Amino acid sequence: QPVVTQSSSASASLGSSVKLTCTLSSGHSTYIIAWHQQQPGKAPRYLMKVEGSGSYNKGSGAPDRFSGSSSGSDRYLTISNLQFEDEADYYCETWDSTTRVFGGGTKLTVL
Amino acid sequence: QVQLQESGPGLVEPSGTLSLNCAVSGGSISSTGWWSWVRQPPGKGLEWIGEIYHSGSTSYNPSLKSRVTISADKSKNQFSLRLTSVTAADTAVFYCARAVGGSIDFWGQGTLVTVSS
Repeated sequence: QPVVTQSSSASASLGSSVKLTCTLSSGHSTYIIAWHQQQPGKAPRYLMKVEGSGSYNKGSGAPDRFSGSSSGSDRYLTISNLQFEDEADYYCETWDSTTRVFGGGTKLTVL
Repeated sequence: QVQLQESGPGLVEPSGTLSLNCAVSGGSISSTGWWSWVRQPPGKGLEWIGEIYHSGSTSYNPSLKSRVTISADKSKNQFSLRLTSVTAADTAVFYCARAVGGSIDFWGQGTLVTVSS
């Protein structure tokens, strides 16, 4: 079954950009992943799906500043013009016909 | 817009059974999607528990499979989680969610369940 790996933390300055990474396990490099944002004390919120081709499909609640991309086994979430409300945990998710898995999450700090 | 709302006891005794319901509005559990349960222990990440397809088939996390049952009541448009033989390690916020086109796209607000005597 697939596994997804994320860095535990990231930080960037207000108004700058940050790129978060989700890495798929060996043999699963073509898998689609999804990104979810969890602000402090809140439920997760779906942001987008990112395919191996690099194309991405955002949910209705994802701000325009959020975008996705891909390279090999890596799937990315880029946040531009960082705002304080972007400070949150970000989780990637993938799935196959019998299972669903989440990465450990990346805690993003806005400086 | 699909909305999901978890309900159930907030406190369960060790060795007991945890039971939660998820009421769905704005969409039918009979028509499309996977209807999932995810948990999050305090201060930790998300863990998929399992899910039920709109046709009624189920999938479970292998690490929990022996203790988990997910079922659906189509007449009430809700689905349920049952987790047996709970311990303190099962204390978590439990979320119900919908998955369409592969990924989860809507989440409930979550409910905290504490396992303690």
